[in-house]
Amino acid sequence: GAVVSQHPSWVICKSGTSVKIECRSLDFQATTMFWYRQFPKQSLMLMATSNEGSKATYEQGVEKDKFLINHASLTLSTLTVTSAHPEDSSFYICSAPEGGSDTQYFGPGTRLTVL
Amino acid sequence: GDSVTQMEGPVTLSEEAFLTINCTYTATGYPSLFWYVQYPGEGLQLLLKATKADDKGSNKGFEATYRKETTSFHLEKGSVQVSDSAVYFCALSAKGYQKVTFGTGTKLQVIP
Repeated sequence: GAVVSQHPSWVICKSGTSVKIECRSLDFQATTMFWYRQFPKQSLMLMATSNEGSKATYEQGVEKDKFLINHASLTLSTLTVTSAHPEDSSFYICSAPEGGSDTQYFGPGTRLTVL
Repeated sequence: GDSVTQMEGPVTLSEEAFLTINCTYTATGYPSLFWYVQYPGEGLQLLLKATKADDKGSNKGFEATYRKETTSFHLEKGSVQVSDSAVYFCALSAKGYQKVTFGTGTKLQVIP
């Protein structure tokens, strides 16, 4: 099946710094990708929809200026957590549908810890 | 709006026991239904899916049947193994709309 990768798999940063997380579709093109965050022992919360060549669509309550999304190519979307704070510590997961499929393929996730 | 309700866990079973994880949904139209599995420290993997009423999705001994009359998609496995220990998420996606709605997840622990 389709493969989605994320980098880095984990990152530790100091409060106030910015962190960039990459999401790549390895063997297919994705005009749309999705970014989720997952708190311990909880379900995935959709943060935003990343659209290639246009602005991302953010879910209600998600700060677009804090979570910057760039979908620069058909195989790469990036999520930048700006001025990170400890409450931003979480597991961030991206996904992408292959072609017109309604099946999402998920990346392995990135664990962010902000000290 | 769309929603997915799963039975709360954790579910603890002995190896070779029968597994059922209940899932019901609310959606307009006829969504596609999914079960995803998340192993510790990893992302989600698609376990199985069904796209229309009465379809049965199956994979790795797991199966689930799309029941429109009861708006359910219960996950079953006849004989669980320790390696099945993970969190299982029921999810739906409206046709032609790629956004996925997840249930809260059910943690399964299988003991030898």
